[in-house]
Amino acid sequence: AQRVTQPEKLLSVFKGAPVELKCNYSYSGSPELFWYVQYSRQRLQLLLRHISRESIKGFTADLNKGETSFHLKKPFAQEEDSAMYYCALSGTQGGSEKLVFGKGTKLTVNP
Amino acid sequence: KAGVTQTPRYLIKTRGQQVTLSCSPISGHRSVSWYQQTPGQGLQFLFEYFSETQRNKGNFPGRFSGRQFSNSRSEMNVSTLELGDSALYLCASSLSGSQNSPLHFGNGTRLTVT
Repeated sequence: AQRVTQPEKLLSVFKGAPVELKCNYSYSGSPELFWYVQYSRQRLQLLLRHISRESIKGFTADLNKGETSFHLKKPFAQEEDSAMYYCALSGTQGGSEKLVFGKGTKLTVNP
Repeated sequence: KAGVTQTPRYLIKTRGQQVTLSCSPISGHRSVSWYQQTPGQGLQFLFEYFSETQRNKGNFPGRFSGRQFSNSRSEMNVSTLELGDSALYLCASSLSGSQNSPLHFGNGTRLTVT
């Protein structure tokens, strides 16, 4: 079964500090992983996906198949990074392709 | 381009009733997915429609159904409402629904069942 675990419901850091939001997954196939973000009063939106190997708003995420992880990192957090972050895995289960989300981590960046 | 539009924004229904939610995708997007979001379970996949056909389905009972029209607009129906159906229902559209096609979410419809 596909499963995404985000162990931290809440994460609080100070501005300028490094931040890492953890994501672990369980999937027997080859996973496609994503990070979605929801800023206050905005809709959920794609932040980045592992196949693009890109950096968006200073965030990066590396897929580690050995540790089945896809942690989101930023070296210097900004106040505007405060948001709800969701890790998601796209895979096939029972013939059905679907995007499975973790329960999310609320990041607060303090001034 | 207008974003994904969901109507209505809020709904209050009583147990046993049925409800229909509507989603208009971004112009040109052919795939529409529906998710249920609750504090306890997070975001759970309901189903995905592509070119008027249900292509993928989550693990929800048959009381949850949907359809997609030729203009890609989609509706979701929940019959015989239960208290546990209270949730935020999110619709997301994408160009093709493939893994390379990111989801664009609407603001959701908040359903309260009393």
